[in-house]
Amino acid sequence: DAGITQSPRYKITETGRQVTLMCHQTWSHSYMFWYRQDLGHGLRLIYYSAAADITDKGEVPDGYVVSRSKTENFPLTLESATRSQTSVYFCASGALLNSPLHFGNGTRLTVT
Amino acid sequence: QKEVEQNSGPLSVPEGAIASLNCTYSDRGSQSFFWYRQYSGKSPELIMSIYSNGDKEDGRFTAQLNKASQYVSLLIRDSQPSDSATYLCAVSSPNNNDMRFGAGTRLTVKP
Repeated sequence: DAGITQSPRYKITETGRQVTLMCHQTWSHSYMFWYRQDLGHGLRLIYYSAAADITDKGEVPDGYVVSRSKTENFPLTLESATRSQTSVYFCASGALLNSPLHFGNGTRLTVT
Repeated sequence: QKEVEQNSGPLSVPEGAIASLNCTYSDRGSQSFFWYRQYSGKSPELIMSIYSNGDKEDGRFTAQLNKASQYVSLLIRDSQPSDSATYLCAVSSPNNNDMRFGAGTRLTVKP
């Protein structure tokens, strides 16, 4: 089925651990985004990618790493998780910058 | 100043009333504007997109854009309890080459 899939849906990890959140889309959209959502802050942009091998920082990139070796995948890695990174993470994709975004179901990450 | 700002609410309206949601943005080069609805525990879903000044209507929803004032709004007519959700304004800018969201406005429609 066409769509955008995030995994895992839920993740609990310990402070200092490395965690990777996966995002896969089947539309061959050029643009992909990672957002985090916390109460009172709405969706804050972490990183985005305009095409394979092109990534750029958003509003809150510190502590995160991304890669995009293939158009359909855009993993987000927390190199050394901190409690402040406890959040709901959404991946989204769009055909063009001015296209509406399609969102995955989100990953709820808890760092203990 | 945040790039996209919304009244955080909460906004409460009675069933059948008009709900008015507002959003301002800071980047004058912004070209594309979107309203998303997000139910609790769910991912955002697109309601409206608007690209040029004026009004755009889709059923009970009307989006209004004023680029000179850097202002975009969403009107929901004949509000229903099922419209109770958080509404997110999103703006894309060629200057940033990204898509930014406001903090969202929580709407409650009371029967």
